[in-house]
Formats: sequence, structure tokens, C-alpha cells
Amino acid sequence: NAGVTQTPKFQVLKTGQSMTLQCAQDMNHEYMSWYRQDPGMGLRLIHYSVGAGITDQGEVPNGYNVSRSTTEDFPLRLLSAAPSQTSVYFCASSYQGKIGYTFGSGTRLTVV
Amino acid sequence: AQSVAQPEDQVNVAEGNPLTVKCTYSVSGNPYLFWYVQYPNRGLQFLLKYITGDNLVKGSYGFEAEFNKSQTSFHLKKPSALVSDSALYFCAVRVEGSSNTGKLIFGQGTTLQVKP
Repeated sequence: NAGVTQTPKFQVLKTGQSMTLQCAQDMNHEYMSWYRQDPGMGLRLIHYSVGAGITDQGEVPNGYNVSRSTTEDFPLRLLSAAPSQTSVYFCASSYQGKIGYTFGSGTRLTVV
Repeated sequence: AQSVAQPEDQVNVAEGNPLTVKCTYSVSGNPYLFWYVQYPNRGLQFLLKYITGDNLVKGSYGFEAEFNKSQTSFHLKKPSALVSDSALYFCAVRVEGSSNTGKLIFGQGTTLQVKP
């Protein structure tokens, strides 16, 4: 099925651990983004990409790394997890951002 | 600074009544505006967008939005609310033609509660 696939759906990490949240889309979309959703704060942009090999920072990039080696994949890396990174993470993709973004179902991350 | 504001944390309406969820924006350049809906424990679903053209945009599930450039607003509306419309609604803006092209910025969200 076409769409944005995020894995895992749930994850619990200990403080200091690292992990990668996976995001893949099969719609040949150029634009991909990572957001975190926290109560009362809406969705905040972490990193985004406008094509393979091109990434840029969003509003809250600290503590996260991204890379875009292929059009399909846009993984988000937490280098050293902190409790402040407990959140729901959404990946989204779009064709040039003009026809609306398609969102994945989210990854609920808890850092203890 | 580019931003999107949703001034109401929650909107309460009775089923069958019209609803409005407010959104204002502040961007440089021409705005691309979007509305998304999120049901509990789900991802965001696209409702409608404004890129250019008519100021009244029609979208999914009977929703529409009115773009007002002078007031920098993009309010979401529906003539007759349903209980099933109860959800969290997000306004978002993407700026075209600037160094920030590609960024989609969201408001903080408005919870819509439709009561029978």
C-alpha cells in the first residue's frame, strides 16, 4: 500500500541510549520531514529534506540527526536519548509540498 | 519570524450547528496553507489546502476554509457539525519561494468537541 511507513510504533529507551526511527515512503516524494508532537505544543519540525542528499534543520533539531541517502528513506537518529525527548514522532512526505503532506502513523517514544 | 497561530485551545459546538476553527499566520512570501485533522491515537489526515485562486477552499468531509489575505487568516468552517467531527485540528503553512522552502509549520492545534 502506498504511504508513509514508520517503525517502530512504540519504543522505550533508557537515558543515554541511541536509536534510529525509520521512515519510508513509496510515493517518490521529494519532501520529507520529521515532527514531534507534545501536548499543548502542536507539531514542531525537527528536520526536513527537499531531496536525496539535502537536509536542513527545523525548529527543534538539537539531539537529533538525519540523513537522506535515498528518495524513499529518511531516518531520524537519537544519539543519546534524554527524558525531554519523550514524545510522539511523525514522519511526513510530500510531492514538492504543494499537494499536502502524507503522514505516517507515528512512533510513541518514552525515555526513562 | 514565520508562525501559525490557533487562538483557541478548544471549540465546543452542538451537533447541527455551524463551526469555525480559527487560524492566523505570519510568513514572508506567498503562503501555502493547510488544514489537518487528527483522531485519537492516529496520524494526521489532510483536509484541504489553499495555494492560489478562490479564497474559499472546499475539502474533505464537508469542511471548507476561507483565506483572507488582509487579515492573514485561514479559518476552517463547516455549515453543520457532526459528533464524528470531534478531533484535534491543525493549521499549517508552507512558504514558497524563500530559503525556507519545504518547511511546513504547524499551529498548536484546536480540539473540536461536538456535543449531541
